[in-house]
Amino acid sequence: DGGITQSPKYLFRKEGQNVTLSCEQNLNHDAMYWYRQDPGQGLRLIYYSQIVNDFQKGDIAEGYSVSREKKESFPLTVTSAQKNPTAFYLCASSIAGAYGYTFGSGTRLTVV
Amino acid sequence: KQEVTQIPAALSVPEGENLVLNCSFTDSAIYNLQWFRQDPGKGLTSLLLIQSSQREQTSGRLNASLDKSSGRSTLYIAASQPGDSATYLCAVRDNNDMRFGAGTRLTVKP
Repeated sequence: DGGITQSPKYLFRKEGQNVTLSCEQNLNHDAMYWYRQDPGQGLRLIYYSQIVNDFQKGDIAEGYSVSREKKESFPLTVTSAQKNPTAFYLCASSIAGAYGYTFGSGTRLTVV
Repeated sequence: KQEVTQIPAALSVPEGENLVLNCSFTDSAIYNLQWFRQDPGKGLTSLLLIQSSQREQTSGRLNASLDKSSGRSTLYIAASQPGDSATYLCAVRDNNDMRFGAGTRLTVKP
């Protein structure tokens, strides 16, 4: 079955560490997105990529980095520069154009 | 910048009731509007996608309408069941990306 896989489901980060969240899709979608969700708030866009080897900053890109070396993969690194990283992170993908989004099951990141 | 608002933030109804969730957006130049369901600690599951040229979409007990000119969408749930308890989010896609509302948390009591 086609879909988006995010791993790990839960992740714990120590102060000063960089951590990488994985997002893989087998839907043959061109575009991929990373969102952050905090309690009681809507999803906020971190980064997006519409084609391999290209990506754009979203509304809250500071302290995060991404790469898009393969169409299927769009990993997100939460760097030590992100001062408040505890949140639920969601990855999505879509066909380019006016199509809907498909979401993964999310990764919950906690700073310990 | 597109802003999406959902009212109410929370709703509690007895089982069997029909209910309406509301979504409004500030810029009518959208490609589509999508309604999602989110269970606690889970990802988003797509319920209905309405293209900008459409007025409504239906799936089972769910019906979503879109009035682009007034910047409004509604999600109608018929004969609600306890299994419908979840947070419902609407999102609009414009030229740049998809913008989300904060969601309506629905509780259906047996």
